[in-house]
Amino acid sequence: SQQGEEDPQALSIQEGENATMNCSYKTSINNLQWYRQNSGRGLVHLILIRSNEREKHSGRLRVTLDTSKKSSSLLITASRAADTASYFCATDETSGSRLTFGEGTQLTVNP
Amino acid sequence: EPEVTQTPSHQVTQMGQEVILRCVPISNHLYFYWYRQILGQKVEFLVSFYNNEISEKSEIFDDQFSVERPDGSNFTLKIRSTKLEDSAMYFCASSLGPPQNQPQHFGDGTRLSIL
Repeated sequence: SQQGEEDPQALSIQEGENATMNCSYKTSINNLQWYRQNSGRGLVHLILIRSNEREKHSGRLRVTLDTSKKSSSLLITASRAADTASYFCATDETSGSRLTFGEGTQLTVNP
Repeated sequence: EPEVTQTPSHQVTQMGQEVILRCVPISNHLYFYWYRQILGQKVEFLVSFYNNEISEKSEIFDDQFSVERPDGSNFTLKIRSTKLEDSAMYFCASSLGPPQNQPQHFGDGTRLSIL
């Protein structure tokens, strides 16, 4: 698998349900970030979790990081139709200053 | 909330022509980046810039590409002789501090179409 791979590729849920997206990566990282992208728009930063952190919360978002498994998950609780977007994980590798993005998960929240 | 702004939102250019994409990063940010996203593909890193010099560049960022911070507010990406495969969405980003510690904030992008 490639650096920053998300699964599932697409997720469709009803409003009010929780959505969980997963990300796996291959190299050592300083941090892992989650971004949202609405169709045709730029990337909106959601949350950054450092390599020495295991869990982080921000509003309805909960991110976990397991560096031993090189994986992260993003949980959106009580989803809303406005959460419909593509969600990307991006890793900041210890070897440089670039972010490496995954393919993304397309989340659709049905009203 | 401060944002990264990019102009133009859409640029159409003939193959072989030069194009300059413009970005105004968040005003107190010190680190600047360009990424691109070819339609249907991943966002790919192009270059990072700090203290008036390139700090890292990817394999994509060949001699046809250059970046410049001509004044205290703008950050530009120039493609010298465009090719069809340069068609993509180009995103500028900035961060307050080094990427190890600070999130990168992205603009809405410039859609570059090469004919």
